[in-house]
Amino acid sequence: EDKVVQSPLSLVVHEGDTVTLNCSYEVTNFRSLLWYKQEKKAPTFLFMLTSSGIEKKSGRLSSILDKKELFSILNITATQTGDSAVYLCAVKANNRKLIWGLGTSLAVNP
Amino acid sequence: GAVVSQHPSWVICKSGTSVKIECRSLDFQATTMFWYRQFPKQSLMLMATSNEGSKATYEQGVEKDKFLINHASLTLSTLTVTSAHPEDSSFYICSAGGLAGELTSTDTQYFGPGTRLTVL
Repeated sequence: EDKVVQSPLSLVVHEGDTVTLNCSYEVTNFRSLLWYKQEKKAPTFLFMLTSSGIEKKSGRLSSILDKKELFSILNITATQTGDSAVYLCAVKANNRKLIWGLGTSLAVNP
Repeated sequence: GAVVSQHPSWVICKSGTSVKIECRSLDFQATTMFWYRQFPKQSLMLMATSNEGSKATYEQGVEKDKFLINHASLTLSTLTVTSAHPEDSSFYICSAGGLAGELTSTDTQYFGPGTRLTVL
């Protein structure tokens, strides 16, 4: 059965810390991996990764995919309170359905 | 770019009534739209996938006669919760997957802001 596992489930850090969120997957016919940020409303898109070893970067956020070891990490440097959210990882297979992880709840304290 | 709107943002209704939720892609054409439900502190649960001009594909355990989905155009899909009951109270979110182009990838789903449904 296809699955996406995120760790940790929950994380509390102080402003300025760097965090690394993990997403491992077992999905048949992998096509791409996506990261989303969900605050109080619906998820907002962060990154889509399809190739191993190529880092995607947006400001203080970056992400990389390892298709051999079947995982991805999302890094956030110099965290701010506005980074507090649930970070969701999803994997798309060739049948176009997204398989979602349970998310990592990040709380950044001032 | 790649904006998805949802209407209404919240609705309260009496048990037994039907509620329609609209999902629109504002600046791109969405060949496929997805409807999710999310309960508090849980992850997104895919309910159904709809392709423009054809019948929706429902996930196992989702009643197609209760959750009616219509995807009449490349920019609009609707979800109607028929004869709603309190257990249908949830956060309903649509997402749109578009045609490949400058703003969108066929793999990326863009989410609407969600509709919070409360059934009394």
